[in-house]
Amino acid sequence: AQTVTQSQPEMSVQEAETVTLSCTYDTSESDYYLFWYKQPPSRQMILVIRQEAYKQQNATENRFSVNFQKAAKSFSLKISDSQLGDAAMYFCAFINSNSGYALNFGKGTSLLVTP
Amino acid sequence: DTAVSQTPKYLVTQMGNDKSIKCEQNLGHDTMYWYKQDSKKFLKIMFSYNNKELIINETVPNRFSPKSPDKAHLNLHINSLELGDSAVYFCASSQITYRGYTFGSGTRLTVV
Repeated sequence: AQTVTQSQPEMSVQEAETVTLSCTYDTSESDYYLFWYKQPPSRQMILVIRQEAYKQQNATENRFSVNFQKAAKSFSLKISDSQLGDAAMYFCAFINSNSGYALNFGKGTSLLVTP
Repeated sequence: DTAVSQTPKYLVTQMGNDKSIKCEQNLGHDTMYWYKQDSKKFLKIMFSYNNKELIINETVPNRFSPKSPDKAHLNLHINSLELGDSAVYFCASSQITYRGYTFGSGTRLTVV
């Protein structure tokens, strides 16, 4: 079975600081894709960043970057210069052919941003 | 223009009723999905359709039946609603799955 684990149910960061959200996954496949989704209180699911497993270079999108460690099956999200609007649930997700290309989600990390 | 739209956004109904949630996407995507988000925020896939063909059918009670009249629409019909069906239901679509999905804004279903 393929699983996605987010070990931090809640995290807190001060405005302008940096925070890292953890994610580990388990798969026997070598070809897969990883994602971070953000769900603010509006409940809209927003794609933050994605990473192809075959790429060694870590993905970056503005203030959001990932640390992808394929051997360790780790995919953490770093948010730099945190803003109040970053407060949300963050979900790590995984997709590959074994899942029928269905997104498998972790249980989420609730991020609180304090002024 | 809304890319993936679901209606209604909120639905309150009594146990035993039958209800439908509609989903439409204007992105030209071939694949559409239904996800259920429970009270603990966990998201789990229920169904996926590719060009009107059922691809994924997870362990979901038979009371849930998806219908895809065309590749731009995927509706979810629920019979004999139970208290445990209360959740947020998300529709999503994708063209190239490894680029991620585009989600609708969700339907909060409350069964009383």
